[in-house]
Amino acid sequence: AQSVTQLDSQVPVFEEAPVELRCNYSSSVSVYLFWYVQYPNQGLQLLLKYLSGSTLVKGINGFEAEFNKSQTSFHLRKPSVHISDTAEYFCAVSASKIIFGSGTRLSIRP
Amino acid sequence: KAGVTQTPRYLIKTRGQQVTLSCSPISGHRSVSWYQQTPGQGLQFLFEYFSETQRNKGNFPGRFSGRQFSNSRSEMNVSTLELGDSALYLCASSPGTGKDTEAFFGQGTRLTVV
Repeated sequence: AQSVTQLDSQVPVFEEAPVELRCNYSSSVSVYLFWYVQYPNQGLQLLLKYLSGSTLVKGINGFEAEFNKSQTSFHLRKPSVHISDTAEYFCAVSASKIIFGSGTRLSIRP
Repeated sequence: KAGVTQTPRYLIKTRGQQVTLSCSPISGHRSVSWYQQTPGQGLQFLFEYFSETQRNKGNFPGRFSGRQFSNSRSEMNVSTLELGDSALYLCASSPGTGKDTEAFFGQGTRLTVV
């Protein structure tokens, strides 16, 4: 079985500050990892995914994530956030089906 | 290319009624999955269909059912609605069923049960 844990339900951060959203996973088989973003009243949109190869993955809107197999983590980072990054972010693991974490709500303060 | 289309966007139903939600996947996508999103439970997997066959099912009561048609369009049905069924129902389509395949989501149907 697979599971995903997003360690922070809410992360407040000032505009132009860096941010890290944390994600840990567990699985008995190899998995693929994803980060999705959900803007208010919208569906989910893929930010980035790790399938294999380089452990540092770059996505859209300046986000990147690092896969750490030994720590079973896939944390999402952005060096400088903007007001438009206000959204809920979901980490997901894919094996037989996609399992989503509980989400982290990112709020940006001006 | 048109995205995933879910209809209707909003729905209000009375407890005890039944409801049918529709999802049209991206053209060429044969896999459709359904999720229920609530503030308390987050995103929970309902079921996945591929080529008109249910491949996976989440842990939901039998009141929740779905089907997929030959054109890959999918419907989900909830019978005997309960207040706790109020949620955003999201549909996602994928080209195939591989675990490396990205899911493309619709905007969802917000169901309110009163």
